[in-house]
This record gives sequence, C-alpha cells and structure tokens, in this order.
Amino acid sequence: NAGVTQTPKFQVLKTGQSMTLQCAQDMNHEYMSWYRQDPGMGLRLIHYSVGAGITDQGEVPNGYNVSRSTTEDFPLRLLSAAPSQTSVYFCASSYKRTGGIADTQYFGPGTRLTVL
Amino acid sequence: AQKVTQAQTEISVVEKEDVTLDCVYETRDTTYYLFWYKQPPSGELVFLIRRNSFDEQNEISGRYSWNFQKSTSSFNFTITASQVVDSAVYFCALSEARGSGNTGKLIFGQGTTLQVKP
Repeated sequence: NAGVTQTPKFQVLKTGQSMTLQCAQDMNHEYMSWYRQDPGMGLRLIHYSVGAGITDQGEVPNGYNVSRSTTEDFPLRLLSAAPSQTSVYFCASSYKRTGGIADTQYFGPGTRLTVL
Repeated sequence: AQKVTQAQTEISVVEKEDVTLDCVYETRDTTYYLFWYKQPPSGELVFLIRRNSFDEQNEISGRYSWNFQKSTSSFNFTITASQVVDSAVYFCALSEARGSGNTGKLIFGQGTTLQVKP
C-alpha cells in the first residue's frame, strides 16, 4: 500500500491564483481530512469528509473548498490564494468506526505552499 | 471547549538523558482518544500511540513510555536514554467521540521541539 499520498510536495503561487492540492489513499478509509500547519500553532483542521459525497468544515475553512467524489481522493482547492495561506498542508485518513471509537489517522507527507 | 496544551515549546537534552514531554487536555466528553505524533526534520507525521479514555494503564514501547492520568487530564510522554534520532517535534492530540459515531477531528497541541545533542 502507498498509504496517503499528496501532490505536489512544493508549490509557489502568486496572490489571487487558484490551485488544487491532491490527496489520495489506498487503504479504503472512509474518513479523510485536511490540516494546515503553521509555526507555533500546531495543526488545524480545514475540512473533513466521513465518506464519498459528504464533507464538512473544520476550524479554518475560509478560502478553501473540498469535494469527495470517490473514497480514495479528497482534493483541496484554494480559490484565490492569499499570503495568509502560506503553510504546510497535510492530508490524513482513517477508518470511520461507529459506537464512539476513533481510529488512528495516518498522514500524508505534506505540501509546502508559499503564496507571494 | 476542547483544548490540548503542550507548555514546553522547546527542550534540549544531551544524549542518554531521560526526557518527559508534557500534554494537558481539556474536554467535556467522557469518551475520547489521545494520540502522540512525531514530526522528524524530514517533515512527515509519524503516529506513535493512541489511548482511549477508559484505559488508564501506562504503556511502554522500547525506550518510549506514556503516562495517562485522567485525574489531572494529562498524557505525558517519556523517552528513556534519549538518542540524537529522537530529535523532532512531538505533537499531542485529542479526538472526541460523540453519540453513535465520531467526527474524527483531531485537536492538536502546539508541539514540543526536542533537540537531543550528542
């Protein structure tokens, strides 16, 4: 298994440009999520999905869009990039268990985004 | 509100010293999960341990051990006989389980940077 993969690894954008960060997993995980990591702030949840066709907002959703058309893929779209979106972006996935059980989330290698 | 606090921003030790990384959490849920992740200089996030709120047994894995105390809302991580390869940022995280399912959201602490000098 490749686990969780993310592309690209690095990206530089100009203010106002749009782009899509790709995330894919081959573990048949129902749950997928996007986090951003900023210095001194840990990781913060942007959006998440509990299955194909279902998405919801996390802590810092503004400026980002997601969709989940397949179990495997969960792309993150930046609609109009701003310097405040300079960050490292991580995608994660896990099984979604019922009955109040939280499964371990596994993270992709990250995408380092710089917005000029 | 849910919150995870890692009060130690940076810790520096000399190789072979023991070091404890502190994690304090806040939650109103009775069922929750706690995690530790390691982020080495290469940048990826590596899962270390998961503990649920009903299991207060301490865990040991090689040089790593974890002390979970619900009474003080703490989930501390100790590295015994530290090595240079332990140098990394360590994150503590909380996941809550509500109702018949769970949102899966992870709430992270700010991270502790551990530097182990030779």
